[in-house]
Amino acid sequence: DQQVKQNSPSLSVQEGRISILNCDYTNSMFDYFLWYKKYPAEGPTFLISISSIKDKNEDGRFTVFLNKSAKHLSLHIVPSQPGDSAVYFCAARVRDNYGQNFVFGPGTRLSVLP
Amino acid sequence: EADIYQTPRYLVIGTGKKITLECSQTMGHDKMYWYQQDPGMELHLIHYSYGVNSTEKGDLSSESTVSRIRTEHFPLTLESARPSHTSQYLCASSELQGQETQYFGPGTRLLVL
Repeated sequence: DQQVKQNSPSLSVQEGRISILNCDYTNSMFDYFLWYKKYPAEGPTFLISISSIKDKNEDGRFTVFLNKSAKHLSLHIVPSQPGDSAVYFCAARVRDNYGQNFVFGPGTRLSVLP
Repeated sequence: EADIYQTPRYLVIGTGKKITLECSQTMGHDKMYWYQQDPGMELHLIHYSYGVNSTEKGDLSSESTVSRIRTEHFPLTLESARPSHTSQYLCASSELQGQETQYFGPGTRLLVL
């Protein structure tokens, strides 16, 4: 059973417009959420994160919103650029007795059209 | 910038060969991970380690094995490669408790003929 879901496998957006990528989770023990960006044949790179005690975190063109009651988070990219075309993974952190563990969603492929 | 390295970046090999994928990190992270990803598919955790002499199996069953003799080094071995092992293999590391971020290596793209 997937604990982190990204229900849109792909998304196409026009350059300059807003890209909104969504992520849902089921485990209420997740205390930190992260977004990663991945280009083909490369490893994922960390983009932005948010603690479960916050509802918004902004870094330049990237903003992550967290709705804890709905167990939903979203990544907004404004304005979208062709270089943003990549696969975006949502990830969540949970702690156990041994340390921290990360659970990844299946990813959403974003295509920004010029 | 992440200081985690994987070699080789690309590998084409015949069925039955033994291969070792290397992963090293210079951040002093205790926890290390191996993920397998097929094109367009999700990341699957196949192995992880809490530190030296610790190895654990991940969510996805894998015929590969790992070792952790040194903190900075977490190699993955396939004793007898098969075409079904063709995939991208991603190594990652993180602090055990502290900073809430995983750092990924560039990946090894493996093709078994």
